[in-house]
Amino acid sequence: GAVVSQHPSWVICKSGTSVKIECRSLDFQATTMFWYRQFPKQSLMLMATSNEGSKATYEQGVEKDKFLINHASLTLSTLTVTSAHPEDSSFYICSAQNQGANSPLHFGNGTRLTVT
Amino acid sequence: RKEVEQDPGPFNVPEGATVAFNCTYSNSASQSFFWYRQDCRKEPKLLMSVYSSGNEDGRFTAQLNRASQYISLLIRDSKLSDSATYLCVVLSGGSYIPTFGRGTSLIVHP
Repeated sequence: GAVVSQHPSWVICKSGTSVKIECRSLDFQATTMFWYRQFPKQSLMLMATSNEGSKATYEQGVEKDKFLINHASLTLSTLTVTSAHPEDSSFYICSAQNQGANSPLHFGNGTRLTVT
Repeated sequence: RKEVEQDPGPFNVPEGATVAFNCTYSNSASQSFFWYRQDCRKEPKLLMSVYSSGNEDGRFTAQLNRASQYISLLIRDSKLSDSATYLCVVLSGGSYIPTFGRGTSLIVHP
């Protein structure tokens, strides 16, 4: 089945630093990838839709200058959390669709970010 | 009204029980439906797609009711390992951005 790889699985960083998270579709091309954030015991919250070759579409309340998304190829999207703060500590998950827009999403294994 | 709604539970059932969850959606133009399973501190994993005629995969049965705008998931002969949060996902025409329910928590006890 379709595989989405996300890296790193976990990261601990200091306040003020930036963290880059990679999301790769390993065996299919993804023109669209999605980035989510999930706080403990809460549901997945869509942060942004990443479109290959164009600017990402951010959900309301998500700062585009803080969460930089780059989707430079059909198999790679990156999320950079800039100037991280403790409140950015969360579980970040990417997902991608294989071909048709009605295809199911496949998720990366997630990145657990802890900002100290 | 939220676009996709689920009863958060938890549903607490004994091993061997049959349990069913529903998920309602508000957009009548919704086209594709899926059930995902999410274990604690892990990413969601696709459990099954939901087809118009209903579909079954082992102990799991998914159904779609377009008239009433809901999908359901039935789990027969529950196992301890079925304990997880079950998310429904709806894709609607137009943007095709998937919409998630908040998930239903299932706890299967011995």
